[in-house]
Amino acid sequence: AQSVSQHNHHVILSEAASLELGCNYSYGGTVNLFWYVQYPGQHLQLLLKYFSGDPLVKGIKGFEAEFIKSKFSFNLRKPSVQWSDTAEYFCAVIPPLGGYQKVTFGTGTKLQVIP
Amino acid sequence: DAGITQSPRYKITETGRQVTLMCHQTWSHSYMFWYRQDLGHGLRLIYYSAAADITDKGEVPDGYVVSRSKTENFPLTLESATRSQTSVYFCASSEMYEQYFGPGTRLTVT
Repeated sequence: AQSVSQHNHHVILSEAASLELGCNYSYGGTVNLFWYVQYPGQHLQLLLKYFSGDPLVKGIKGFEAEFIKSKFSFNLRKPSVQWSDTAEYFCAVIPPLGGYQKVTFGTGTKLQVIP
Repeated sequence: DAGITQSPRYKITETGRQVTLMCHQTWSHSYMFWYRQDLGHGLRLIYYSAAADITDKGEVPDGYVVSRSKTENFPLTLESATRSQTSVYFCASSEMYEQYFGPGTRLTVT
């Protein structure tokens, strides 16, 4: 079945370490890609999005993601994490010809940053 | 304040009871969604609505009923709650591709 995969379920990093969270999707064609973040006790909020153009996307709080079409990937990165980045991160995809209702979320990656 | 609210935030109910979760948005977004969040499954779409009086099933609609008589409200009803419906429920709205989420309702069915 068409899907979105986040292979890292739980990541533990020390402050100042670099972060890369994987996201792969299995849809062919043009997709819209998102990363959402859910801080402890809070609702999900958009971190960044990719529709077209430059495959390197900058988001809020120093996060970025790179769309690699040949690898069907949209990995999230941050050069130096902070304790406040502790959260759960969700990759989401709208498949080709999909409307707003077609967004599919990955299973999420819990990031724990140790001071 | 503008935004999306959900009520109640926490609910404990018994198997077989009917439960309604409320969702209200102040943006007048056309689309509204209900998701459930479960460990190992991430977010799964239960129902969505493209406009008032237009609703459709998502990935996991069984056991749930929705209605949307007004643009701003999108209640979700569990007709006869089961233990498998214990979950965190999120409502969201959108006008374009970005979704705006509510704070969630943690539902426990005993």
